[in-house]
Amino acid sequence: NAGVTQTPKFQVLKTGQSMTLQCAQDMNHEYMSWYRQDPGMGLRLIHYSVGAGITDQGEVPNGYNVSRSTTEDFPLRLLSAAPSQTSVYFCASSYSRRGNTEAFFGQGTRLTVV
Amino acid sequence: AQSVTQLDSHVSVSEGTPVLLRCNYSSSYSPSLFWYVQHPNKGLQLLLKYTSAATLVKGINGFEAEFKKSETSFHLTKPSAHMSDAAEYFCVVNSGGYQKVTFGTGTKLQVIP
Repeated sequence: NAGVTQTPKFQVLKTGQSMTLQCAQDMNHEYMSWYRQDPGMGLRLIHYSVGAGITDQGEVPNGYNVSRSTTEDFPLRLLSAAPSQTSVYFCASSYSRRGNTEAFFGQGTRLTVV
Repeated sequence: AQSVTQLDSHVSVSEGTPVLLRCNYSSSYSPSLFWYVQHPNKGLQLLLKYTSAATLVKGINGFEAEFKKSETSFHLTKPSAHMSDAAEYFCVVNSGGYQKVTFGTGTKLQVIP
């Protein structure tokens, strides 16, 4: 099992550009989520999905879109990149939506918007 | 509502000495509590979790944590630090809903040889 795979690992964007961060898991997990990690702020939830075709907003959803057409994939789209979106992005998956379930994380995408 | 406070942003210990990383939480419901570790340029990995069973929870790599409801704490400990323990550690609280996850701001552990 590869676990949770994120691509790319690094990306530099110009302000106003769009891009898609890819996330795939091979564990048949029901629940997937995207976080951003900023210094001194821990991880904050952007969007999450409880199954194919079902997504919802987390704590900081503005400027991001998601979709979940398959169980395996959960891409995150930046519509028009802004310097405030410079961050490290983590995708995570869990086998259950229940709150006592551990999350498995990808290795992250380090995004810089100039 | 829920929140989590990691009381130290940086902790420095000598190799072979005990480790204590402090975490306090608040939650309106019986929480699940987790500790994750993040090594440099890596994703987060689960160390241990508390889900209303035994209050003393043992995790990987010799770490353990004790859930103390009266003190609303979930401190992470290890008897003897190893160089490979140098990383950032996150305390996480979940009050039961899949979207209701709150991360602490992290504690960076430095291990001095």
